[in-house]
Amino acid sequence: EDQVTQSPEALRLQEGESSSLNCSYTVSGLRGLFWYRQDPGKGPEFLFTLYSAGEEKEKERLKATLTKKESFLHITAPKPEDSATYLCAVQILRTGNQFYFGTGTSLTVIP
Amino acid sequence: KAGVTQTPRYLIKTRGQQVTLSCSPISGHRSVSWYQQTPGQGLQFLFEYFSETQRNKGNFPGRFSGRQFSNSRSEMNVSTLELGDSALYLCASSLGTGGHTEAFFGQGTRLTVV
Repeated sequence: EDQVTQSPEALRLQEGESSSLNCSYTVSGLRGLFWYRQDPGKGPEFLFTLYSAGEEKEKERLKATLTKKESFLHITAPKPEDSATYLCAVQILRTGNQFYFGTGTSLTVIP
Repeated sequence: KAGVTQTPRYLIKTRGQQVTLSCSPISGHRSVSWYQQTPGQGLQFLFEYFSETQRNKGNFPGRFSGRQFSNSRSEMNVSTLELGDSALYLCASSLGTGGHTEAFFGQGTRLTVV
């Protein structure tokens, strides 16, 4: 069964304290892995797409990496405005554009 | 460049009623997908429309339906509302072809069934 698991469920960091969020997946035929950020009461905001193992992408304080079984979202020197829920999703070849989402990691960055 | 627009933002309906939600995708995008988000189940796929045709469907009862118009705008309808249908309904817009897989979400419609 296709499955996406995110850990931890919640993470509290001091401002400037770097850390990583994990997304592990078990799917048949990965089409792409996606990271989104969601603020309370709003729709998910697109961050990154990764397509193959070894691929890395960066945006400001965020860096996403992909292996054959998991992805990491590294947050370097976070700021309070990075507080949000980070969602990981996969698309698989069999179902095209359909996203399979993990349950998210709620990140709180304390000043 | 305008983003994905969902209307209305908030709705309160009574059990047994029906509701229609609207989504206008990014200009040029031909694929619109709908998702239901609840605290217990997270984001779950409802269906995808591409060029006015339903291309994929999730595991939701037939009370949930949708359609897409020639200008790519999409509507979803829920009939005979149940309390459990209370959720944030999100629409995602993408090009829908080739290697362009990124999808951009609207702000959602918050549906409350009482």
